[in-house]
Amino acid sequence: NAGVTQTPKFRILKIGQSMTLQCAQDMNHNYMYWYRQDPGMGLKLIYYSVGAGITDKGEVPNGYNVSRSTTEDFPLRLELAAPSQTSVYFCASSSGGERLAWAFFGQGTRLTVV
Amino acid sequence: ILNVEQSPQSLHVQEGDSTNFTCSFPSSNFYALHWYRWETAKSPEALFVMTLNGDEKKKGRISATLNTKEGYSYLYIKGSQPEDSATYLCAFRGMNSGGYQKVTFGIGTKLQVIP
Repeated sequence: NAGVTQTPKFRILKIGQSMTLQCAQDMNHNYMYWYRQDPGMGLKLIYYSVGAGITDKGEVPNGYNVSRSTTEDFPLRLELAAPSQTSVYFCASSSGGERLAWAFFGQGTRLTVV
Repeated sequence: ILNVEQSPQSLHVQEGDSTNFTCSFPSSNFYALHWYRWETAKSPEALFVMTLNGDEKKKGRISATLNTKEGYSYLYIKGSQPEDSATYLCAFRGMNSGGYQKVTFGIGTKLQVIP
């Protein structure tokens, strides 16, 4: 079982460049999330989605965009990369509706903006 | 922004000691409370999910309790072992105004067990 797959694992961007972090899950989960983890900090929610076509902002959405055209995929777009976006990004998914639903995490993408 | 707080932020214990840490969360719009174990260079792994006030869950030497009325959960580790060294995250699942669930993580408690 693949679970939650994130690509790439590592990336270095120059200031002002754009990129898309890919996230795919094969568990037919409705809920998907993007988090960032900064050194010494916890996981901050960037965006989340409760199903295909439905997305909502989390705590730190500025500088990011998402789309959810299919149940499986939830890409995160950085339009104009800034050094403040240097972080480790985690995608997660859960079945959402059930109270006992776990969130499953991808392995993370380490992004450095220089 | 929901406040999900964990304390302490870091903890060093000797092998064999028992320890506990706290997660506090809003007492309104509660849906579920999760505990995750997060080892360095890996992704978080689920430990427990609790939904009812008074819930107690146990997995081996690790257990957790839940008080939704006052908004806190305790995680206990009995007889800590070096392999327990990790960051323990709690995550609050609450219902937002649109009727959707939103997951907010605490900063984590970083546990180091000294052999």
